[in-house]
Amino acid sequence: DIQLTQSPSSLSASVGDRVTITCRANQSINHYLNWYQQHPGKAPKLLIYRASSLQGGVPPRFSGSGSGTDFTLTVSSLQPEDFAIYYCQESYTFPVTFGQGTKVEIK
Amino acid sequence: QVQLVESGGGWVRPGGSLRLSCTASAFRLSDKYMSWIRQAPGKGLEWLAYISSGGSARDYADSARGRFTISRDNAKNSVYLQMNSLRAEDTAVYYCAGPDSNAWFTFDYWGQGVLVTVSS
Repeated sequence: DIQLTQSPSSLSASVGDRVTITCRANQSINHYLNWYQQHPGKAPKLLIYRASSLQGGVPPRFSGSGSGTDFTLTVSSLQPEDFAIYYCQESYTFPVTFGQGTKVEIK
Repeated sequence: QVQLVESGGGWVRPGGSLRLSCTASAFRLSDKYMSWIRQAPGKGLEWLAYISSGGSARDYADSARGRFTISRDNAKNSVYLQMNSLRAEDTAVYYCAGPDSNAWFTFDYWGQGVLVTVSS
C-alpha cells in the first residue's frame, strides 16, 4: 500500500498568513494526488485534484504543486473559514489511501 | 444540486450486521464508480470499497474484505454497503463518495455521512 505522510500534523496560524502543508508518498504516484478540506462534523470537500488543478468554486488562494513523491498545498492568505483539517489522498493505485491529516488552528 | 444521502446507520452489537444505503439526486450515479469511505471518531479518512459503474468490478480495503460487500442498484440510483461481523473498531461515520468525471477515485461528491456505532 502507498503511505502518505503529511507534515506538519498541526499548525497554528493567523488570518492573512501564508500556509504550506506537505504530503510525501513512499513511492511515486505521478500526479495522482488530491487535497481535501474538512470542517468539524462535515464531509470532506475537494480542493485540488491531480496535484495542481483547482476544483471549481474553490478560492484561488488555494494552490497545489508537486509530482512523484512530494506534494504541497499552499494557502496564500489564510481566511477565517480556512481553519479546518486538510487531507491528501492518492488515486494512483489500490487501496486508495489518505494522509493522516493536518489541522490548521487559529493562533 | 448534487446530493448523496446515506442512511441505515445506527447502533449494533459486536458481531451484528448493518446495511448502509446511499441514494443520489441530480447525479447519474449509474455512470460512476462509487466508493465508501469511513472516519472513526477523531481519526482520519479510510477508504473501504469501490464498485464500478456496471457493478462488475469491486475492490476492498483489507479492513473490509471478507466482511463488507458493496453493491449497487442503478435503477434506484443507489449504492449499498452490507457490513457483517461488525467490531468495535468499525465504529465510524461512513460516507459514500463519487467523482464528477471519469477520474474514478477523485471524490468530488460526498454524502453527509452516517454514524455506525458498534458496542455491547
